[in-house]
Amino acid sequence: KAGVTQTPRYLIKTRGQQVTLSCSPISGHRSVSWYQQTPGQGLQFLFEYFSETQRNKGNFPGRFSGRQFSNSRSEMNVSTLELGDSALYLCASSLRLAGGQADTQYFGPGTRLTVL
Amino acid sequence: GESVGLHLPTLSVQEGDNSIINCAYSNSASDYFIWYKQESGKGPQFIIDIRSNMDKRQGQRVTVLLNKTVKHLSLQIAATQPGDSAVYFCAGDAGNMLTFGGGTRLMVKP
Repeated sequence: KAGVTQTPRYLIKTRGQQVTLSCSPISGHRSVSWYQQTPGQGLQFLFEYFSETQRNKGNFPGRFSGRQFSNSRSEMNVSTLELGDSALYLCASSLRLAGGQADTQYFGPGTRLTVL
Repeated sequence: GESVGLHLPTLSVQEGDNSIINCAYSNSASDYFIWYKQESGKGPQFIIDIRSNMDKRQGQRVTVLLNKTVKHLSLQIAATQPGDSAVYFCAGDAGNMLTFGGGTRLMVKP
């Protein structure tokens, strides 16, 4: 079974631009979560989508948004990029068990975003 | 633990020795815990997990211990190999939202 895939792997943008990152979950997984990883703040939760609905949201400004499609693929968008948005953006997928019980999240390789 | 920073704590071990990596968590709502391994240029890779109704779980060469009283997790790696060199993160899951520890860098000396 193929793992989580993310595109593109690398991106370079300038301040003020916007960017869209894409994530394809493991086949059969309906939950997709996004995380930001930086040397200073470590790994931080951005948001989770399940059945095309945002279920959880971390403490990030509204410039960070996402969506999920009917095939469970997800995109995240960052508008008005700032230098501090430079990071590795990771996507993780899980089955999300019935009753809301936590299930293992499997990560993709990430998208390395550099903002100049 | 859940402190973060540019300088990860480092554990250096001799090949063949056992490694113990510790993690403290602060979110009492976490009921599911996972250890991930992250190699340079890659995303975190699942190693082993444990639910809050257990205090020990064993995998192949790895064991996770959970002490809910003091909110502490540990990962034990038996017979550490050069391929185990990576950064290791513990994560607590509260409703499909992971909270990560700061990570520990494991270096294996041949």
